[in-house]
Amino acid sequence: NAGVTQTPKFQVLKTGQSMTLQCAQDMNHEYMSWYRQDPGMGLRLIHYSVGAGITDQGEVPNGYNVSRSTTEDFPLRLLSAAPSQTSVYFCASSAVLGQGSGNQPQHFGDGTRLSIL
Amino acid sequence: RKEVEQDPGPFNVPEGATVAFNCTYSNSASQSFFWYRQDCRKEPKLLMSVYSSGNEDGRFTAQLNRASQYISLLIRDSKLSDSATYLCVALNTGGFKTIFGAGTRLFVKA
Repeated sequence: NAGVTQTPKFQVLKTGQSMTLQCAQDMNHEYMSWYRQDPGMGLRLIHYSVGAGITDQGEVPNGYNVSRSTTEDFPLRLLSAAPSQTSVYFCASSAVLGQGSGNQPQHFGDGTRLSIL
Repeated sequence: RKEVEQDPGPFNVPEGATVAFNCTYSNSASQSFFWYRQDCRKEPKLLMSVYSSGNEDGRFTAQLNRASQYISLLIRDSKLSDSATYLCVALNTGGFKTIFGAGTRLFVKA
């Protein structure tokens, strides 16, 4: 039972490089999201998606792109990495109930620890 | 001001103590609420959902006060293994935005 799988687990980049963080879930969840976690800041929502072909911005979307071509996958792209993007990145997914009922709690991946020099 | 605010702590308590955390949310449209637990350098994991009528799961009790827009978590008979960061979460159903608080750190000492 894989759940939410993130790759890679660790990555070091140089400023200006591009990279894609991968996230896949095998629970047929409609809702997927990306967070970054910095010391003392908690988890901040970057982008989220409520289904294939639908994405929206979270609290801190600048510098990141996402796409959702399938239900299973939700990659996060850094187009030109900056030291301020050094962080731990978590992907999460959940089922979506009927309209007005709210989301189910989220399942998280193990995280990607990203350092940008 | 963040949409979801928590006292960062840390709370240092002895084993067996009762400890309570509060969390306030600013978006009155928030519909669903949860408490998550996060161990050092690990992913967050669901601790419990928070229901309007209040709910209990063993030593843990969650309460929701919609009028004052806060949720609370009470831990009774604290164990060493309860040491972690506790995150509260508010979901805006209409926008599907999931907003986490910054977390409250708990240290339970022998």
